[in-house]
Amino acid sequence: GAVVSQHPSWVICKSGTSVKIECRSLDFQATTMFWYRQFPKQSLMLMATSNEGSKATYEQGVEKDKFLINHASLTLSTLTVTSAHPEDSSFYICSAREVDGGAWDRETQYFGPGTRLLVL
Amino acid sequence: AQSVTQPDIHITVSEGASLELRCNYSYGATPYLFWYVQSPGQGLQLLLKYFSGDTLVQGIKGFEAEFKRSQSSFNLRKPSVHWSDAAEYFCAGGEAAGNKLTFGGGTRVLVKP
Repeated sequence: GAVVSQHPSWVICKSGTSVKIECRSLDFQATTMFWYRQFPKQSLMLMATSNEGSKATYEQGVEKDKFLINHASLTLSTLTVTSAHPEDSSFYICSAREVDGGAWDRETQYFGPGTRLLVL
Repeated sequence: AQSVTQPDIHITVSEGASLELRCNYSYGATPYLFWYVQSPGQGLQLLLKYFSGDTLVQGIKGFEAEFKRSQSSFNLRKPSVHWSDAAEYFCAGGEAAGNKLTFGGGTRVLVKP
């Protein structure tokens, strides 16, 4: 159980175009999902928290107009990189929060396989 | 401020030898603690987690971790390493339900034949 998928796994696009990345929780409902960015040989940097049915919460320094997040259902969140530029090239990973065994205070994040974005 | 520290950036271990990865945390209260593993170009896989109770936690792939409040540590161990254990390992902590995870910098494990 607790499987999270991401699509696409990799994408190459031209500078100035927009790219949408999907994150799905396959076997559980996730009211909250997270989007991370990871640079080579570095740890994960949280970009934003995505809440179903409400606006995402962005971390300091993350441009909300550039990284559009939509969490339209309990199993799907999308990240759209608008007007992508080469500096947006990175590995983007999502996670979905699952409540552990129904205990409200025990939550675990399960991660997707990541999406590698290359902007030319 | 909340923080999670992994003191070792790289560790090289021989196949069949034991492995211990260090993780220290700084939180006001006992945090929820997690260990994840990441293979190259992949997402993170949960190895084990600690919420409360028994301080020795068993995980997948033969890994275990021990929570030590007195040392603010949550070290990951494996008695006998396999070549497939070569990967990046991340320790992460969360303060309470609904809170964001804080990740350590990661430890890259190399396994020698």
